Amino acid sequence: EIVMTQSPAALSVSPGERATLSCRASQSVSSNLAWYQQKPGQAPRLLIYGASTRATGIPARFSGSGSGTEFTLTISSLQSEDFAVYYCQQYNNWLYTFGQGTKLEIE
Amino acid sequence: EVQLVESGGGLVQPGRSLSLSCAASGFTFDDYDMHWVRQPPGKGLEWVSGISWNSDRMGYADSVKGRFTISRDNAKNSLYLQMNSLRAEDTALYYCVKDGPVAGTGDNWGQGILVIVSS
Repeated sequence: EIVMTQSPAALSVSPGERATLSCRASQSVSSNLAWYQQKPGQAPRLLIYGASTRATGIPARFSGSGSGTEFTLTISSLQSEDFAVYYCQQYNNWLYTFGQGTKLEIE
Repeated sequence: EVQLVESGGGLVQPGRSLSLSCAASGFTFDDYDMHWVRQPPGKGLEWVSGISWNSDRMGYADSVKGRFTISRDNAKNSLYLQMNSLRAEDTALYYCVKDGPVAGTGDNWGQGILVIVSS
């Protein structure tokens, strides 16, 4: 099983500032990496797939990068609605796994 | 509009069985792989199982392999999860998820159905 490790577990950032979230895979997943956003009481929403492609309707302030084992989600200028939990997920094979999540909090 | 509506959850004793269903609408069901993802209360996401569009491929997390069975009925636009030998650690909100723009991603999620395993 591929283990996905996200860091940090929690991140406090002020609105308007940049947030950088990291995700590491225990072995290479190529670019088969997705990011999701989850707000309290809601189902997750797909943000990024293919490590760097924004899903339909996702604002340009969300960007993804990386390949192999190291990945980054960057939110360029945080809006109030961006404070949530973010998960990475590898889909390199039929044993998909998620990271444990990063909680993005208002500073 | 894509809709995924889960049903069949509830309280069940350890060791017993439960069957979940997901009714899909708003898209061509048999064009897409489908998945179940769960989330224990207050915790993170865990992919449970997936099934290809024509049911010729299925996958399971190690934590449920041999106990859970995924299936689908394309004529009824429905996805199922048969859960046997349930354990306390299976307690979670179970989401039905439609495959996204790339196989293995999830671009549409149901609202989730709660399964509680407790005596």
